[in-house]
Amino acid sequence: AQRVTQPEKLLSVFKGAPVELKCNYSYSGSPELFWYVQYSRQRLQLLLRHISRESIKGFTADLNKGETSFHLKKPFAQEEDSAMYYCALRMSARQLTFGSGTQLTVLP
Amino acid sequence: ETGVTQSPTHLIKTRGQQVTLRCSSQSGHNTVSWYQQALGQGPQFIFQYYREEENGRGNFPPRFSGLQFPNYSSELNVNALELDDSALYLCASSLTGGRGNTEAFFGQGTRLTVV
Repeated sequence: AQRVTQPEKLLSVFKGAPVELKCNYSYSGSPELFWYVQYSRQRLQLLLRHISRESIKGFTADLNKGETSFHLKKPFAQEEDSAMYYCALRMSARQLTFGSGTQLTVLP
Repeated sequence: ETGVTQSPTHLIKTRGQQVTLRCSSQSGHNTVSWYQQALGQGPQFIFQYYREEENGRGNFPPRFSGLQFPNYSSELNVNALELDDSALYLCASSLTGGRGNTEAFFGQGTRLTVV
């Protein structure tokens, strides 16, 4: 069965510092991996997906099939990056399997 | 372009009662998925509807059921409510086509409290 693990429930960094949110997955097939973000009082929204290989709001994520990881990185964190981040895996074009989320706080 | 809307935003029900939650999909989308998000957890997949039929189901009992209408809007019904059903229920819509499934757009959720 597919599973997504986000080992950190809470992560705090100072403004301008690099940030990395960890995500590991288990799935026997070829997964689609996503990062979703939820800002305070807003709905869950897609941040980026591995197949597009783009940088959104300075964030990047590389799929490492050997380590079954899809860590989210940003070289210089901003206060507006404070939010809840969810890693998700999609199989068979159907359901998303989410991790339990990491609450990122960027301190001034 | 209209986004995904859910109603109601909040409701309180008594254990044993039944509840219906509603979702209007984003314009142009034909697939609706429902998720349950308990406090402190990530969303958990309940089921998905495509072309008015259930197209995948997560690990939820039969008392969780749904419908999709010709305009692609959807309902989630939960019978015999239990205290553990208290959660945020999220609806997500997407477009399923020849090239697979587009990204899912989420509604703001319905907060259900069972007392």
